[in-house]
Amino acid sequence: GAVVSQHPSWVICKSGTSVKIECRSLDFQATTMFWYRQFPKQSLMLMATSNEGSKATYEQGVEKDKFLINHASLTLSTLTVTSAHPEDSSFYICSPQEGSNSPLHFGNGTRLTVT
Amino acid sequence: EDKVVQSPLSLVVHEGDTVTLNCSYEVTNFRSLLWYKQEKKAPTFLFMLTSSGIEKKSGRLSSILDKKELSSILNITATQTGDSAIYLCATLPYFGNEKLTFGTGTRLTIIP
Repeated sequence: GAVVSQHPSWVICKSGTSVKIECRSLDFQATTMFWYRQFPKQSLMLMATSNEGSKATYEQGVEKDKFLINHASLTLSTLTVTSAHPEDSSFYICSPQEGSNSPLHFGNGTRLTVT
Repeated sequence: EDKVVQSPLSLVVHEGDTVTLNCSYEVTNFRSLLWYKQEKKAPTFLFMLTSSGIEKKSGRLSSILDKKELSSILNITATQTGDSAIYLCATLPYFGNEKLTFGTGTRLTIIP
């Protein structure tokens, strides 16, 4: 089956610092990458969608200058949370898509805690 | 706005029981409905349903889509403690980016 590697699995950082989360598709090429956020006891909410080589499309209410997404290759995408604040503490999950009509796979997620 | 609703929000049953989880949706350009199991980490894929009335099975789990009722059910028979998890359903649109809209999830707890 498809293998998705997401790092780090957890990170604690101080308020005001930036955190980079990496997502790699190890055995397929991800033409599209989805980034989700999940707050405690809530469902997954889509933050942004990126296609390789293009700018990401952000969902309403998600600040593009705060959550920087880079999808430079078909196997790697990064999400950088800039100037993190405690309210950014959440579980961030990437989901690379190989092609249309394929079940979407997920990384193992990154639990971010901002103190 | 697309909406996916799951019920119940939480369910506690004894090992060996059978459970039925519900998912209803109101979405534009519906193509497929997916079920996922989420334990401590990211969701793992269970089923993808595109055609109405065709049951998909995997071991003790089965699922079926009813496009007339805009809903789907996920059945788990002879439940085990390892089935304890959050079960998420999500819809996939027909056009454009393959953007999933997730339901609220059902938290299932199996008591030994």
